[in-house]
Amino acid sequence: QLHLQESGPGLVKPSETLSLTCTVSGGSISSSSYYWGWVRQPPGKGLEWIGTSSYRGSTYYNPSLNSRVTIFVDTSKNQFSLKVTSVTAADTAVYYCARRGEMAIKDSWVFDYWGQGILVTVSS
Amino acid sequence: DIVMTQSPLSLPVTPGEAASISCRSSQSLLHSNGYNYLDWYLQRPGQSPQLLIYLGSNRASGVPDRFSGSGSGTDFSLKISRLEAEDVGIYFCMHSLQVPLTFGQGTKVEIK
Repeated sequence: QLHLQESGPGLVKPSETLSLTCTVSGGSISSSSYYWGWVRQPPGKGLEWIGTSSYRGSTYYNPSLNSRVTIFVDTSKNQFSLKVTSVTAADTAVYYCARRGEMAIKDSWVFDYWGQGILVTVSS
Repeated sequence: DIVMTQSPLSLPVTPGEAASISCRSSQSLLHSNGYNYLDWYLQRPGQSPQLLIYLGSNRASGVPDRFSGSGSGTDFSLKISRLEAEDVGIYFCMHSLQVPLTFGQGTKVEIK
């Protein structure tokens, strides 16, 4: 059974960089069948897709975050990471890492496995 | 960006009764391959979201058949034929036709 676990600081100061890691266990991150991504949820609000990356480094980001976001897949550690620069209070959210897998129907990509989420608060 | 709009935002339902959630997109989600790129996720209280329905009407593995998805183009719906206590939570629709992927605001389903 695949398991994803987020880790990182729960408190980040404004203007600094938010850095999170997602450790994947129970399966290899080095598969062309999957993409790896991040979704966040501000307290009491809805879900926002941040971005997705393949293990080869093909990345897709939400333009709303401009150039502040980087997702990196580390195959040697079976982990992938998220960096968000120049954070503000608006970046306070529960951050979920998730796998994007293809279902039985070709080109039907879905978020099929999720981590439990980690709350990151931006505050001085 | 494609805007996803759900209604209602809150839905009290008596156990055993049916429930229906609407999701509308600002652009058609119908791809040239004939599939609608619309998924449904359920976030139970205190949990991560889980996939229920993909490509508009396909149930994910392990999802009970009381859940069904329908619709095409810009209008979609999720139906629960007989609500059970474990169905309580927030239901989100999400499109995956293009970047950026966007979610609806969520519909909170609770026991009446």
